[in-house]
Amino acid sequence: SQTIHQWPATLVQPVGSPLSLECTVEGTSNPNLYWYRQAAGRGLQLLFYSVGIGQISSEVPQNLSASRPQDRQFILSSKKLLLSDSGFYLCAWSGEEGYGYTFGSGTRLTVV
Amino acid sequence: SQKIEQNSEALNIQEGKTATLTCNYTNYSPAYLQWYRQDPGRGPVFLLLIRENEKEKRKERLKVTFDTTLKQSLFHITASQPADSATYLCALLWMDSSYKLIFGSGTRLLVRP
Repeated sequence: SQTIHQWPATLVQPVGSPLSLECTVEGTSNPNLYWYRQAAGRGLQLLFYSVGIGQISSEVPQNLSASRPQDRQFILSSKKLLLSDSGFYLCAWSGEEGYGYTFGSGTRLTVV
Repeated sequence: SQKIEQNSEALNIQEGKTATLTCNYTNYSPAYLQWYRQDPGRGPVFLLLIRENEKEKRKERLKVTFDTTLKQSLFHITASQPADSATYLCALLWMDSSYKLIFGSGTRLLVRP
């Protein structure tokens, strides 16, 4: 069966520090991968999505970036965090057209 | 741009009653409309999907309707239980958007015992 792993679960980082969040999927090949961010009490905002290795589409201009070095690995990064980067970051994957997304357990990022 | 609207006020109902949540969207209809459940501090969990050419979809105590004329989907939970208390998210996918799922802000459901 397919599983998705996301880590770390929580992270407290100072302003200006770098960020690296990792997401891996098991049990499937060539998944579509997504990074979402959820602010407190708000909906999910799509940040990046990828349909294949090295293919990244950005939805929101910001100081974050994403990479897909392997088929089932998706990484969210920042060189210098801002206070506004705080939030709940969720990785998700989808397979065939018409199926629901499967989300990871999320990373709670607090920038201080 | 596309907009998705869900009632931001919490829905508070008595156990055993039917909960009905609303999702409205603007502009042209999506190819798919999905509903997710999210518990505090957790990722959303997929519940149901309905296609633009479908009117209704059921799964156990859940029912989703899709009215492309009204640009609205209704999500029903019959015989609601306290364990159904959570935030429910509506999400839409348009075929010209490379399968990007766009989410509404969600409606919180509270089921009183």
